[in-house]
Amino acid sequence: QVQLVESGGGVVQPGGSLRLSCAASGFTFSNYGMHWVRQAPGKGLEWVAFIRYDGSNKYFADSVKGRFTISRDISKKTLYLQMNSLRAEDTAVYYCARDGDYWIWGQGTMVTVSS
Amino acid sequence: DIVMTQSPDSLAVSLGERATINCKSSHSVLYSSNNNNYLAWYQQKPGQPPKLLIYWASTRESGVPDRFSGSGSGTDFTLTISSLQAEDVAVYYCQQYYSIPYSFGQGTKLEIK
Repeated sequence: QVQLVESGGGVVQPGGSLRLSCAASGFTFSNYGMHWVRQAPGKGLEWVAFIRYDGSNKYFADSVKGRFTISRDISKKTLYLQMNSLRAEDTAVYYCARDGDYWIWGQGTMVTVSS
Repeated sequence: DIVMTQSPDSLAVSLGERATINCKSSHSVLYSSNNNNYLAWYQQKPGQPPKLLIYWASTRESGVPDRFSGSGSGTDFTLTISSLQAEDVAVYYCQQYYSIPYSFGQGTKLEIK
């Protein structure tokens, strides 16, 4: 079955960087666009970024534009989120999700930005 | 950008009674070429990822109990739980996946009265 497993979360100081990974299995990774969505503690869901199935186009929320990048490695069936210049307000659980008629979500990985 | 607004923010319903959550989008999410509304509903329990309940505004995801139903078109949508069960206590979100930036409602917290 479709499975998405996020990793790479942790504690980082303000201004620091972190790279999240999302390992995909159970479907043809190269056929689907992929998203990152985050949820700050006790808050709602916020879409962060999207990459098309072939990597040709990438889109970002205004809150992360210029600081985050999204990429994918088809051979490794893995999605990435490179997060730079991190701020306290980036503290959240980060989920990856598969695009389509409906989205399929991973379990999430926690990122804490704190000194 | 499309803004999604849910009402109410919280809701308390007795076991066995009907629960209704509304979602309004600031722009139509109906794609005319395929007549699909790009609107989904999720259920989220503490410590868990969102669970898909409904997509295309009214299509129930496989395995979701039939007491959950979605309706509406264009800009106004409703999630109905016909007979509330204890395990339905959760936060519910609507989401538009019609246009970037994709967006979610603020969430509705459902509790037992």
